[in-house]
Amino acid sequence: QKEVEQDPGPLSVPEGAIVSLNCTYSNSAFQYFMWYRQYSRKGPELLMYTYSSGNKEDGRFTAQVDKSSKYISLFIRDSQPSDSATYLCAMSPFSSSASKIIFGSGTRLSIRP
Amino acid sequence: NAGVTQTPKFRVLKTGQSMTLLCAQDMNHEYMYWYRQDPGMGLRLIHYSVGEGTTAKGEVPDGYNVSRLKKQNFLLGLESAAPSQTSVYFCAAGTGDTDTQYFGPGTRLTVL
Repeated sequence: QKEVEQDPGPLSVPEGAIVSLNCTYSNSAFQYFMWYRQYSRKGPELLMYTYSSGNKEDGRFTAQVDKSSKYISLFIRDSQPSDSATYLCAMSPFSSSASKIIFGSGTRLSIRP
Repeated sequence: NAGVTQTPKFRVLKTGQSMTLLCAQDMNHEYMYWYRQDPGMGLRLIHYSVGEGTTAKGEVPDGYNVSRLKKQNFLLGLESAAPSQTSVYFCAAGTGDTDTQYFGPGTRLTVL
């Protein structure tokens, strides 16, 4: 069993819809949770970063962590065609050890105009 | 300010050939990383470096070697390429903290 599970999609939604992307994990030591966005033929870029449980909002993006269920989500409101990309979840037990980050396999998202 | 750059962008090798991938950063970060990305597997850490002259093994180091002779450069070498090393390779640079990792554009490598 992988430490981090993520549905690969693809997920296709109409422009303006609310998108929900999710990951589950098995290691209860994870405390730092990240979402990366990766456009086609590009490197990943950090989108959201959260610590422990709770919600964090940044513009149209909300990251949610439920440590009791070992489940994290990324919500995108008012989705735009420019949001079409692969979204990778990632997590780590430490804040100061990027070498310990475990990445999900990514969900491919397509926003239809 | 280019951030993290990778050379080459694409490469096709035959089994048994060797090659070196170059990563360069202009952000003056201490930490640099090499990952590979395969379908359904996510990003997996190959090797990393915590500073000039240092290297350490990641999750999947076998078949690869690295060197960090200069702070701004991190080289990934394949001594005898195998088809299993067909992948997209990403380099990253950062402070070592989990919220500061900046990725390059990737190198697509095919081993026939």
